[in-house]
Amino acid sequence: NAGVTQTPKFRVLKTGQSMTLLCAQDMNHEYMYWYRQDPGMGLRLIHYSVGEGTTAKGEVPDGYNVSRLKKQNFLLGLESAAPSQTSVYFCASSNMRTQEDEQFFGPGTRLTVL
Amino acid sequence: GQNIDQPTEMTATEGAIVQINCTYQTSGFNGLFWYQQHAGEAPTFLSYNVLDGLEEKGRFSSFLSRSKGYSYLLLKELQMKDSASYLCAVRSSSGGSYIPTFGRGTSLIVHP
Repeated sequence: NAGVTQTPKFRVLKTGQSMTLLCAQDMNHEYMYWYRQDPGMGLRLIHYSVGEGTTAKGEVPDGYNVSRLKKQNFLLGLESAAPSQTSVYFCASSNMRTQEDEQFFGPGTRLTVL
Repeated sequence: GQNIDQPTEMTATEGAIVQINCTYQTSGFNGLFWYQQHAGEAPTFLSYNVLDGLEEKGRFSSFLSRSKGYSYLLLKELQMKDSASYLCAVRSSSGGSYIPTFGRGTSLIVHP
């Protein structure tokens, strides 16, 4: 099993450009999440999904959109990138079969917006 | 909303014991997780507590007191490879879903 994978690993954008980050998991997990991590700020939740076809806003959703058309994929879109969106983005997935189900994280995408 | 507090940085000596504290305020508490994150890598799961008490896993233990909104991660026999950031995450109910919220992490530096 590959676990959670993210594409791309690195990207540099100019202000105003758009892009989509792809997250894929092969563990048949129901829950998927997108976080951003900035120095001194920890992991902040952008959007999450509790199942195929559902999405919900997290703590810092402004400037981002998401889609979960297939259970195994969770896409994060930036329609018009801004320098404040320079960050490391982590995708995660989890199940709720038992309370102890932890999150599995992808390797991260390092995004720089100039 | 939730408020999760951890110390920003701690240092310890190889072979020693270190305790990393996490305090939280939340409604609908549904469990507390600890993750380890090495620089430039993804977080990985260490432990889970939902009931009061101590959970032990090898060199790592985690404690929870729900009434005090308090947890700690105890690392014994510290090794250089334990130098990492340790993230406390509190899961709570939100509109029928159970979503974790992370603290800012504690950077642990282990020196010889």
